[in-house]
Amino acid sequence: SQQGEEDPQALSIQEGENATMNCSYKTSINNLQWYRQNSGRGLVHLILIRSNEREKHSGRLRVTLDTSKKSSSLLITASRAADTASYFCATDRSGGSNYKLTFGKGTLLTVNP
Amino acid sequence: GAGVSQSPSNKVTEKGKDVELRCDPISGHTALYWYRQSLGQGLEFLIYFQGNSAPDKSGLPSDRFSAERTGGSVSTLTIQRTQQEDSAVYLCASRRLASTGELFFGEGSRLTVL
Repeated sequence: SQQGEEDPQALSIQEGENATMNCSYKTSINNLQWYRQNSGRGLVHLILIRSNEREKHSGRLRVTLDTSKKSSSLLITASRAADTASYFCATDRSGGSNYKLTFGKGTLLTVNP
Repeated sequence: GAGVSQSPSNKVTEKGKDVELRCDPISGHTALYWYRQSLGQGLEFLIYFQGNSAPDKSGLPSDRFSAERTGGSVSTLTIQRTQQEDSAVYLCASRRLASTGELFFGEGSRLTVL
């Protein structure tokens, strides 16, 4: 089963608006990562937040992590048409020696000019 | 190379044929992952190699799928007797440390089984 589940599945906004995507997961984690995928391309890493962090910023990106609720959110501020892509969360489980990284199904973000 | 390289970028094959997909990870990266992505879907984990440890093959969908990583570097994913449901993009990724850090993805190999 998927460790990370994003919602919404799809989000359509106007340029300049903020976009918020959520990710829920099931087991304890070491860290959570967000990736972006443009259509027909590979995934690109955006940001990593560790389990002992609650918030992290990178440019127009803001990620929060709530380990008590096993959830994370990705906020993109002042969106641009170029932000149109699919966004995935991925989790590194804690404990053990297997470091399989599992991904959610993604949120398709469309930013309309 | 500077990034993860996958080949071929596109492969069209007939049902029942075998295919090999290649991944050349970033030099020095310990961990290598294969994922499958069907049209408009998320990433399905297939297999994970970590240094000299036994690979985690728990995601391989059937015994028609196999993968190897030679010399801790290049990896080959082999699909025998391909079926139409094998049509997907196969993504390879590597990362420097086995336990943490970002994954670097290749552009993927798009497989179409007719």
